[in-house]
Amino acid sequence: KNEVEQSPQNLTAQEGEFITINCSYSVGISALHWLQQHPGGGIVSLFMLSSGKKKHGRLIATINIQEKHSSLHITASHPRDSAVYICAVITHQGAQKLVFGQGTRLTINP
Amino acid sequence: ETGVTQSPTHLIKTRGQQVTLRCSSQSGHNTVSWYQQALGQGPQFIFQYYREEENGRGNFPPRFSGLQFPNYSSELNVNALELDDSALYLCASSLGGWRSGAGELFFGEGSRLTVL
Repeated sequence: KNEVEQSPQNLTAQEGEFITINCSYSVGISALHWLQQHPGGGIVSLFMLSSGKKKHGRLIATINIQEKHSSLHITASHPRDSAVYICAVITHQGAQKLVFGQGTRLTINP
Repeated sequence: ETGVTQSPTHLIKTRGQQVTLRCSSQSGHNTVSWYQQALGQGPQFIFQYYREEENGRGNFPPRFSGLQFPNYSSELNVNALELDDSALYLCASSLGGWRSGAGELFFGEGSRLTVL
């Protein structure tokens, strides 16, 4: 079992829909990152969370440390939101490592 | 534009050769981390350097090594290249060691390595 699990693996939605991507982890962490990767490889950091909730434009990220779960929400989705969304955690057991989820491929149709 | 630059952008090597990839951090960032992303796969953490010292390592063999310089730029060296080393290699810089809780990651565009 992977230390970081994302769901769903693939998600197709219509423009305007509310999107939720989930991330669960099984290790102790010091922080969690949500990343966006467009075709061609560039990775952009969306959020870094250690508690609570953050909002940036149409994106909202939440984390529940007790339940070891985080969600990324996109409101009023748009075709330009189509990308792979990756959850990654910084472990704090021993030497620090960044452990990635397998990613969620999001496609927003016009 | 993240301010993180990597070079070269593309390169081709043959099995057994050695390669050095370079990363210039965003100004003021003292932490750099390296990742390998095989085609169609998610990134895998290789290691992190904080103030010129390795500060964490993923499950990569010793032939993957790195350096961080006083100006916080960094190199990734891979010896004895294997076909499976073909991948996109990404670096990311951040301010503050990860243990401090600081550190939004700023990624470069990557170096695409092909091993023949």
